[in-house]
Amino acid sequence: NAGVTQTPKFRILKIGQSMTLQCAQDMNHNYMYWYRQDPGMGLKLIYYSVGAGITDKGEVPNGYNVSRSTTEDFPLRLELAAPSQTSVYFCASSGGALSYEQYFGPGTRLTVT
Amino acid sequence: DQQVKQNSPSLSVQEGRISILNCDYTNSMFDYFLWYKKYPAEGPTFLISISSIKDKNEDGRFTVFLNKSAKHLSLHIVPSQPGDSAVYFCAAKTQGGSEKLVFGKGTKLTVNP
Repeated sequence: NAGVTQTPKFRILKIGQSMTLQCAQDMNHNYMYWYRQDPGMGLKLIYYSVGAGITDKGEVPNGYNVSRSTTEDFPLRLELAAPSQTSVYFCASSGGALSYEQYFGPGTRLTVT
Repeated sequence: DQQVKQNSPSLSVQEGRISILNCDYTNSMFDYFLWYKKYPAEGPTFLISISSIKDKNEDGRFTVFLNKSAKHLSLHIVPSQPGDSAVYFCAAKTQGGSEKLVFGKGTKLTVNP
């Protein structure tokens, strides 16, 4: 089991560019999440999904979009990148059904200049 | 409005001694609490959890205590080892339906040999 994988590990974007952060899990988890972590801060939820075809906003969704066409994949799209989106992005998954532990990927470090 | 607070940004202890990491919360609807450990350049990993119906949960060197009346939980690590040096995040889940977690800002633990 690879668990939760994320690509790329690092990326530098220019202001106004767009990109997609990839996330995949092989644990057959229904629930998936995207977080961002800014320096000295905790994890803030961007978007989450409770199953294929179902997504919802978290605490800080502005500037991002997601889709969930399969159970395994949960890509995060950044449109018109801004310096405020410089952060480390973590994808996570959980089994749901009273299993609350979330399993995290290694993260993507994004810099917008 | 921070619902989960970790008021100590850092903690330093000697190897072999006890480490106590604290977490306070404000939302009385939280019914499940988790501790995560994070090494640099890695994603958080689940450490230990506790349901609000319990006041203690133990797993090897790690024990979590929950004081519902004080809205306070703590993580005890005994004995502390240099490999425990990491950032520790407290997280909480709201009662009913949603699997979303709210994270604190983290406490950086350094265990000195």
